[in-house]
Amino acid sequence: EAAVTQSPRSKVAVTGGKVTLSCHQTNNHDYMYWYRQDTGHGLRLIHYSYVADSTEKGDIPDGYKASRPSQENFSLILELASLSQTAVYFCASSDSGNTLYFGEGSRLIVV
Amino acid sequence: AQSVTQPDARVTVSEGASLQLRCKYSSSVTPYLFWYVQYPRQGLQLLLKYYSGDPVVQGVNGFEAEFSKSNSSFHLRKASVHWSDSAVYFCALNNNAGAKLTFGGGTRLTVRP
Repeated sequence: EAAVTQSPRSKVAVTGGKVTLSCHQTNNHDYMYWYRQDTGHGLRLIHYSYVADSTEKGDIPDGYKASRPSQENFSLILELASLSQTAVYFCASSDSGNTLYFGEGSRLIVV
Repeated sequence: AQSVTQPDARVTVSEGASLQLRCKYSSSVTPYLFWYVQYPRQGLQLLLKYYSGDPVVQGVNGFEAEFSKSNSSFHLRKASVHWSDSAVYFCALNNNAGAKLTFGGGTRLTVRP
């Protein structure tokens, strides 16, 4: 009964290819987030959204797009994947913007 | 700009020992502060949070943290650790300037049996 589910959980992509990471939440939360985790850097915010059909840039948005077609779904899109985008990506939801509830992560390897 | 620093990337303690994981923050206002834990191959889970009031807050599994405005710190403590506490711990803050959490780099805790 995970409330935030991500797919795929793991993916190998080729450089220059398109990658879409999907996130679905059943918390009925307004806020959704995409974070990137790299060793030694903790989590860094890529994009977030307050409401369906609207997205905001986070701290490291370059090379990423986001889409929020509904309250429940939030996607992260890498149009031209690069080696530097190899990382673990986490989706999260929140009702107030304070306490975040995370998915289990999507491990992306770009070769 | 707000920031969070966890000065210890790795901490190793023996089972049954006490624990303190350090967190220092920088914020122009008194922020909301959080500790999250990440077990292997899992997402982050909330341990505890501080909004205001009593500077010592209790969390799950015997963890507590103490807020200090004078030291700009929010250290995590546990009286007696168990091997299952081995994980990565993240400190985070929200300074109410938007619905965004800023995370520290994390501390990897290893508990020796």
